[in-house]
Amino acid sequence: DAGITQSPRHKVTETGTPVTLRCHQTENHRYMYWYRQDPGHGLRLIHYSYGVKDTDKGEVSDGYSVSRSKTEDFLLTLESATSSQTSVYFCAIRGGPDTQYFGPGTRLTVL
Amino acid sequence: GIQVEQSPPDLILQEGANSTLRCNFSDSVNNLQWFHQNPWGQLINLFYIPSGTKQNGRLSATTVATERYSLLYISSSQTTDSGVYFCAVGEGGSEKLVFGKGTKLTVNP
Repeated sequence: DAGITQSPRHKVTETGTPVTLRCHQTENHRYMYWYRQDPGHGLRLIHYSYGVKDTDKGEVSDGYSVSRSKTEDFLLTLESATSSQTSVYFCAIRGGPDTQYFGPGTRLTVL
Repeated sequence: GIQVEQSPPDLILQEGANSTLRCNFSDSVNNLQWFHQNPWGQLINLFYIPSGTKQNGRLSATTVATERYSLLYISSSQTTDSGVYFCAVGEGGSEKLVFGKGTKLTVNP
C-alpha cells in the first residue's frame, strides 16, 4: 500500500459538465501519474507530474487538464465531459526504483 | 512510439499448473514492469525488471533486453492468481510507461 487514495471512486455525470478527479498520496512522492483504462487498450498515460506545478502530457491528453498545487494532491479535470471519456481512471506514484504503484481507481460514466 | 505485445491474450489453467506469459517490445527500454490486476480491479506491481531475472515466491520474471522480450513465470498456480497481467515498458529518459494489452489468466479449482 503506497498510501494512495482516489476520490470519488464512482461518478456518473452528463455530457458537457466539468468533472474533477482527485488523487491523494501520503508519502511525499515526487512523481504522480494519471492513466485511463479501457477494454482492449490496457492502460494509457494521460498526464504526469514531476513536482509541484510541474506537469507534462502523456499519450492521450486531449480533453484533460491537470494541476498540482501541493505535493500530496494531483487533480485531473475534464473541462467538458464527453461519452468517449467514460473509463476507469487510475492514479499512480513512482516509488523506488522507478516502480509505479497504483491507487484503487475511479469509475467514471458520462451519459 | 514503442510497441508492446503480450501473449497469449487469454489463458485458462487448472489449479497447480505452471504458465509462462510473454511480453515483446519494439525498442530498447530502461524500464520494464509487470503488474497484476485482480478481479476487483486493483493493480499490484509484481516486478521491476529492465534486465535479468528476479523471483518472488511462486512468481519469477526474466527480461532479455538485447532480444526485446520479457517472460513472467507462474508456478503451481492458485485461483488467487486469476486476473490480468500487464507488462509496461519505458524508454530511456522518459517518464512515460507504455502498457501492453494484458494477458487474462483464469485459474480454475
